[in-house]
Amino acid sequence: NAGVTQTPKFQVLKTGQSMTLQCAQDMNHEYMSWYRQDPGMGLRLIHYSVGAGITDQGEVPNGYNVSRSTTEDFPLRLLSAAPSQTSVYFCASRGQGADTQYFGPGTRLTVL
Amino acid sequence: KNQVEQSPQSLIILEGKNCTLQCNYTVSPFSNLRWYKQDTGRGPVSLTIMTFSENTKSNGRYTATLDADTKQSSLHITASQLSDSASYICVVSAIDSGGGADGLTFGKGTHLIIQP
Repeated sequence: NAGVTQTPKFQVLKTGQSMTLQCAQDMNHEYMSWYRQDPGMGLRLIHYSVGAGITDQGEVPNGYNVSRSTTEDFPLRLLSAAPSQTSVYFCASRGQGADTQYFGPGTRLTVL
Repeated sequence: KNQVEQSPQSLIILEGKNCTLQCNYTVSPFSNLRWYKQDTGRGPVSLTIMTFSENTKSNGRYTATLDADTKQSSLHITASQLSDSASYICVVSAIDSGGGADGLTFGKGTHLIIQP
């Protein structure tokens, strides 16, 4: 199993540009989440999904969209990038209950 | 509001020494508590998961304890190695209320440095 994969690993955007961060998992997990990690802030939940076709907002959803058309994929879209979205983004997945949550390797995004 | 507080923020110890990291939480209703290790530039990796009825759980040189009454947990690292240098994150899960919440509250982590 590849686990949770994320692409790209690094990205530089200009203010106002849009892009999609890709996330995929091959463990047939129902739960998938997107987090951002900023210095001194810890991990904060952006959006999450409890299954294909179902998504919901987390703590910091503004400026981001998600969709879950398949169990495997959970892309995160930045509609119009802002410098405040400079961060490291992690995708994670887990099964039901008290199951281990698996994180991807992260995408380091810089918005100029 | 659900909160997870970790201490210390950072810690430097010599290789071979033991150390203990602390986690206090105010998450309700409690479901489980997880400790993660995050190496620099990588995603967090799960070390232990403990439910309400578990007091201690070990994973090699890592031993986590949970006191659900005082809402405290600790992560003890024995005979530290250079590879233990990382951030350690405490995450507390609330029981799924069915309202569609992720249910996880993250601490900010303890940054541990092991010196040779």
